[in-house]
Amino acid sequence: EAQVTQNPRYLITVTGKKLTVTCSQNMNHEYMSWYRQDPGLGLRQIYYSMNVEVTDKGDVPEGYKVSRKEKRNFPLILESPSPNQTSLYFCASSSPGHQPQHFGDGTRLSIL
Amino acid sequence: RKEVEQDPGPFNVPEGATVAFNCTYSNSASQSFFWYRQDCRKEPKLLMSVYSSGNEDGRFTAQLNRASQYISLLIRDSKLSDSATYLCVVNIQGAQKLVFGQGTRLTINP
Repeated sequence: EAQVTQNPRYLITVTGKKLTVTCSQNMNHEYMSWYRQDPGLGLRQIYYSMNVEVTDKGDVPEGYKVSRKEKRNFPLILESPSPNQTSLYFCASSSPGHQPQHFGDGTRLSIL
Repeated sequence: RKEVEQDPGPFNVPEGATVAFNCTYSNSASQSFFWYRQDCRKEPKLLMSVYSSGNEDGRFTAQLNRASQYISLLIRDSKLSDSATYLCVVNIQGAQKLVFGQGTRLTINP
């Protein structure tokens, strides 16, 4: 089954404790992306990757890092999480042309 | 000004009604346009692309007005299962990114 898998689905943690949200896709897509979704602001792109070892900043990259060592994986790293990073996070992938974007189930992060 | 703007709603309409949403975009380099649907606490899913000539998919009709920089979605004979948030999405030419509107929340009432 074609899918994008994010882990964990839910995480409550404390300020400053490094965390990684994993994202994996099995569709051999070149393009992968991370978004955060906040009430009233919609989905905002954090980082994206056009292919292996190619990553670039989206609209809200501050406080986040990513890596793309393999085509299927695109982890999101919060080196020192802060409460303003409490949000719902989605990973997505697509073939060139960006449509349709296949989204993971989402990760709800709470930073206390 | 937001790059993609939608009326957040919520819209509450009776089952069987026709409902329409608009979405405006500010970047004239916007190249392609889409409507996504997002159910509560779920991931967004592509509903339909929006073509320059307008396009229809069953009860759903999408239209694009490049001169005025807006796109629309029309839902006819609405069903209870149409209750969701509808996201307007724009692909900016050359920017390699998608810009999402904040979404319009729709509730269909029996």
